Amino acid sequence: GESVGLHLPTLSVQEGDNSIINCAYSNSASDYFIWYKQESGKGPQFIIDIRSNMDKRQGQRVTVLLNKTVKHLSLQIAATQPGDSAVYFCAENNAGNMLTFGGGTRLMVKP
Amino acid sequence: GAGVSQSPSNKVTEKGKDVELRCDPISGHTALYWYRQSLGQGLEFLIYFQGNSAPDKSGLPSDRFSAERTGGSVSTLTIQRTQQEDSAVYLCASGWTKETQYFGPGTRLLVL
Repeated sequence: GESVGLHLPTLSVQEGDNSIINCAYSNSASDYFIWYKQESGKGPQFIIDIRSNMDKRQGQRVTVLLNKTVKHLSLQIAATQPGDSAVYFCAENNAGNMLTFGGGTRLMVKP
Repeated sequence: GAGVSQSPSNKVTEKGKDVELRCDPISGHTALYWYRQSLGQGLEFLIYFQGNSAPDKSGLPSDRFSAERTGGSVSTLTIQRTQQEDSAVYLCASGWTKETQYFGPGTRLLVL
């Protein structure tokens, strides 16, 4: 069936560097995408979202890029900090009542 | 303001016992979701409540799983005759639509 998946299960970056977390989706009908951050022992937290009529959206230190041609979504974190260490999930909104979540990428920030 | 709360935070039970997990959504939110998250995995949708509509139970893995939402607020997820494969973190989220989901901290269930 259609699904959302991630290319890299673990990403290790140096503090201060930029991080890029990637996500592939297969449902071309999806029109809304969300990135969540999940710290250890906590529930997922909303980071940023983007609709399919946009290619790019920026937040505070985070940018989401959407490439509908290749069905690819990415989350860029500028000047990565130790507090950014977490598991990041992408989710897509297609038909039905629920979001479809990807498998997650663990971001580890080295001091 | 208060976020989504879940109780208990941790639950250890023996195989074959029934468990009840509770979710207190953010006041006023009409939508409520239950998800299951196995170790190192993504979120698996279980059930969805929206207002007074019939719940979407399409994600429940077996008839041992059931959920209720009383008065459009608090929800209880019940797992009967628990099995070891039921061990996971059970997450609740509330919002106004599926696009505005605020998650609780989860209940960590361990079935021995």
